[in-house]
Amino acid sequence: ETGVTQTPRHLVMGMTNKKSLKCEQHLGHNAMYWYKQSAKKPLELMFVYSLEERVENNSVPSRFSPECPNSSHLFLHLHTLQPEDSALYLCASSQVWGRANTGELFFGEGSRLTVL
Amino acid sequence: DAKTTQPPSMDCAEGRAANLPCNHSTISGNEYVYWYRQIHSQGPQYIIHGLKNNETNEMASLIITEDRKSSTLILPHATLRDTAVYYCIVRVGRDSGAGSYQLTFGKGTKLSVIP
Repeated sequence: ETGVTQTPRHLVMGMTNKKSLKCEQHLGHNAMYWYKQSAKKPLELMFVYSLEERVENNSVPSRFSPECPNSSHLFLHLHTLQPEDSALYLCASSQVWGRANTGELFFGEGSRLTVL
Repeated sequence: DAKTTQPPSMDCAEGRAANLPCNHSTISGNEYVYWYRQIHSQGPQYIIHGLKNNETNEMASLIITEDRKSSTLILPHATLRDTAVYYCIVRVGRDSGAGSYQLTFGKGTKLSVIP
């Protein structure tokens, strides 16, 4: 138990569906992240929210839409995905001190997405 | 952030020390060395980090060479549960005042602990 909870753990969706991934952290952190891990590839950073503001967006297609309503919750809204978007989506949180990120990330278990 | 080089895989006998090397020859003076691991189908787990002194916690020890161009993560008594991919990452730390949030994961070292 890392203090970061992701739901659902597994999701199968068609290319025309709209679904959302949810992440909740119980650690009192003020930064949250979405990472993507495709088969046999390193983790790729997608989005970062710090103090509820998006601070990084690593050229992610618009079919992925993040939302951070408060410092404890992070969503990834999915629509018109492609089969190549099938991957493990990982949420993480960390504490930001002043303007500096600590580098110590706490990850959830991930949501395994399959796009048919 | 500086790049790192790790062997793709290693084996270790259960109960023995696992020594995982990492080269980071282009590391800058304000960059820390971080280690994470990822057990199959789980999220990565933070292990330890350091700047230039050796560090130890309940999970592992981190030995950083004097020139800081390489480091070794040591699991003193490896168990089957330590089988995982281990990632060595260098980046600016909390004291830098910098705003970078990027933690770049490479391919890591797949450690197999053998009974």
